[in-house]
Amino acid sequence: SQTIHQWPATLVQPVGSPLSLECTVEGTSNPNLYWYRQAAGRGLQLLFYSVGIGQISSEVPQNLSASRPQDRQFILSSKKLLLSDSGFYLCAWSTPGTGLNEQFFGPGTRLTVL
Amino acid sequence: GQSLEQPSEVTAVEGAIVQINCTYQTSGFYGLSWYQQHDGGAPTFLSYNALDGLEETGRFSSFLSRSDSYGYLLLQELQMKDSASYFCATVSGGYQKVTFGIGTKLQVIP
Repeated sequence: SQTIHQWPATLVQPVGSPLSLECTVEGTSNPNLYWYRQAAGRGLQLLFYSVGIGQISSEVPQNLSASRPQDRQFILSSKKLLLSDSGFYLCAWSTPGTGLNEQFFGPGTRLTVL
Repeated sequence: GQSLEQPSEVTAVEGAIVQINCTYQTSGFYGLSWYQQHDGGAPTFLSYNALDGLEETGRFSSFLSRSDSYGYLLLQELQMKDSASYFCATVSGGYQKVTFGIGTKLQVIP
């Protein structure tokens, strides 16, 4: 069966510090991978998605970046965090080519920038 | 661009029926999905409509009208555990891109 892992579960970082969030998927090959951010009480904002190793599509211009160094690994990074980067970060995967694009979400990382 | 609209909050009585509407403006539209998210948890998939009409899955049904860029999620025989946020999401970009609405917070009351 497929599983998706995210870590850390919670993170408190000062403004201006770097960030690295990691997401890994098990039990599937060549998944589509996604990073979303959810502000408190708000909807999910698509940040990045990837259809393959090294292929990243950015949806929102900001101080975040993403990388996919391996087929089932997706990393979200920032060189300098802003207060507005606080939120619930969710990684998701889907099986390409199904037309359905059912998203399977990880447990999320709750980031607080102080 | 992509934009979706859905009501921010809905309150309904246990055992009743509730309909959550969603309108969208999506280039390269393929289909409309619905997800459920309980407080503090991750979203989980409920349904997907690629063609016009009604899809039924147990107590939940989802409808799509492509010509009207409109869909809805229908929840029947509401239970307290149905209290959650419900998101509509459009699938586009060659099935690769999923864009979520802001979510509708459903409160089921006794």
